[in-house]
Amino acid sequence: DSGVTQTPKHLITATGQRVTLRCSPRSGDLSVYWYQQSLDQGLQFLIQYYNGEERAKGNILERFSAQQFPDLHSELNLSSLELGDSALYFCASSARDSHTDTQYFGPGTRLTVL
Amino acid sequence: GQQVMQIPQYQHVQEGEDFTTYCNSSTTLSNIQWYKQRPGGHPVFLIQLVKSGEVKKQKRLTFQFGEAKKNSSLHITATQTTDVGTYFCADQTGANNLFFGTGTRLTVIP
Repeated sequence: DSGVTQTPKHLITATGQRVTLRCSPRSGDLSVYWYQQSLDQGLQFLIQYYNGEERAKGNILERFSAQQFPDLHSELNLSSLELGDSALYFCASSARDSHTDTQYFGPGTRLTVL
Repeated sequence: GQQVMQIPQYQHVQEGEDFTTYCNSSTTLSNIQWYKQRPGGHPVFLIQLVKSGEVKKQKRLTFQFGEAKKNSSLHITATQTTDVGTYFCADQTGANNLFFGTGTRLTVIP
């Protein structure tokens, strides 16, 4: 158990819908990262937040957005869902915003778009 | 753009055989991390390599960083069924983001 929690574990929805994925980082960690894992694209970095502020953006679509709240939990919002958005979404956390920090991954949310 | 390729994509070995996965980058890597993801699980951090030519060992696992910091390898000696999973290398950019390699899926046949 990494100490990072994600809800829900599974999500099934229809095209065009909007969903929110939730992540709670390890106690004391200030950075939260979101990753998408799909069969054809592998594991891809989406976005990072540090202490409530956006720090870095990766291959995140404009239909996707995220935020980190004062209690440090984070939410990833996916809207106008398409079939290709079906994937595993992982959240990871680290203590600070340093390139030497280890990232601890949560169990993931499996999103299926029908 | 940055590409981190891993070979092989898949590897089947008999239990007790050795296994090696290679990570190659088109650009110089700042530092390299290795992760293991069990089937149905999430990536779990194994190790970080920072220095050119660095070699680190964890029991039966040996990690190496190339002299030019453009490649890395993970070698497992005498594989066990518990080694099953996908092994990823990941490069950390200056902003602390992980750029994952394509992964090598290891199957160990008992």
